[in-house]
Amino acid sequence: NAGVMQNPRHLVRRRGQEARLRCSPMKGHSHVYWYRQLPEEGLKFMVYLQKENIIDESGMPKERFSAEFPKEGPSILRIQQVVRGDSAAYFCASSRRDSGYEQYFGPGTRLTVT
Amino acid sequence: AQRVTQPEKLLSVFKGAPVELKCNYSYSGSPELFWYVQYSRQRLQLLLRHISRESIKGFTADLNKGETSFHLKKPFAQEEDSAMYYCALRGSNYKLTFGKGTLLTVNP
Repeated sequence: NAGVMQNPRHLVRRRGQEARLRCSPMKGHSHVYWYRQLPEEGLKFMVYLQKENIIDESGMPKERFSAEFPKEGPSILRIQQVVRGDSAAYFCASSRRDSGYEQYFGPGTRLTVT
Repeated sequence: AQRVTQPEKLLSVFKGAPVELKCNYSYSGSPELFWYVQYSRQRLQLLLRHISRESIKGFTADLNKGETSFHLKKPFAQEEDSAMYYCALRGSNYKLTFGKGTLLTVNP
């Protein structure tokens, strides 16, 4: 089992561009979580998805951010019109079920906005 | 609201010395507490969880509900223990709330 995969590992975008971050969960996992880590901070929950459903997006900024987890393919975190404050490490985790099951983390995508 | 506090940003000890990484939490119900570790250039991985009450790589952590703490301890630190350690809490749902982390350096 290759574990949770994220790509790209590093992404550089200019202000105003779009950023797309991909996450492939572990085999057999149907639950995906996105976390953001700002410099000098802990990881903060953004969104929880199951296949084709957003279960909880309470941690997502209200504008410019969206997430999806289609029936086929990876989960995508999309940030439109990026700003310098979006520079952070974005981590994806997956689990087989929700509460009670361990979340396995990907290596993260480090987004730098210039 | 859920909150996790790791008061030490950096902790440096010598090999063979005891180590304790502090974690305090705030949560009104019965939380589940975890310690995650991130070694250099590796992904975040679960070290231990309070429910299992096991010792991993010589580390233990006891949930103290009276003091709302979940400190991580190891009696004899090794150089390979050098890493970033995060304490995390899960409440009644799936969300993990993380502390800011403690960078442990074990010197030879």
